[in-house]
Amino acid sequence: SAVISQKPSRDICQRGTSLTIQCQVDSQVTMMFWYRQQPGQSLTLIATANQGSEATYESGFVIDKFPISRPNLTFSTLTVSNMSPEDSSIYLCSANRQGGPNTEAFFGQGTRLTVV
Amino acid sequence: AQTVTQSQPEMSVQEAETVTLSCTYDTSESDYYLFWYKQPPSRQMILVIRQEAYKQQNATENRFSVNFQKAAKSFSLKISDSQLGDAAMYFCAYRRGNYGGSQGNLIFGKGTKLSVKP
Repeated sequence: SAVISQKPSRDICQRGTSLTIQCQVDSQVTMMFWYRQQPGQSLTLIATANQGSEATYESGFVIDKFPISRPNLTFSTLTVSNMSPEDSSIYLCSANRQGGPNTEAFFGQGTRLTVV
Repeated sequence: AQTVTQSQPEMSVQEAETVTLSCTYDTSESDYYLFWYKQPPSRQMILVIRQEAYKQQNATENRFSVNFQKAAKSFSLKISDSQLGDAAMYFCAYRRGNYGGSQGNLIFGKGTKLSVKP
């Protein structure tokens, strides 16, 4: 299994500011993802973090609002920019250990973001 | 597009009893994987069980088993001998089988909140 360290675990931020969430995996992984989980809701994919290139965003999410970096195979960051109260959610980092039928998805502990 | 539906927002079970959580999905693909994840209040997503679509045999993991009905696109989770520690949100999830690029992500249902009564 892979261990994913995500930080911060929670934060309270002022509207209009930005927060960067870090995700560190203890071993090289093939794919990394960022999900958003709004209060009482399911997980929605924000984007796939691509190593060495721009992230691939899902419909409804844009790079200006959620810039993502992945400088190497074990680390990624998600920034929530120009925050508003609607951005209050749990943000989760996920990684796939390997491709093919034995692929397993692992998750960080999540970041609970509250925007006031 | 693939979708995952969990029609039970909340379920309750008595300790030591058995409970079944329902999940249906929609896909036009033949190669895919299905999962059940548990999310306790700690927010940590924990893999409970997985099922490969090409396998007819239902997956089992100790007290957890699934009833996979491929033709009906149904994937229910049965928890036997329920324990207090089983109380959590349970998410059903889908992933494509053969994928490339950015398609290795999971598609989740809305979740079922399971309560276990002592």
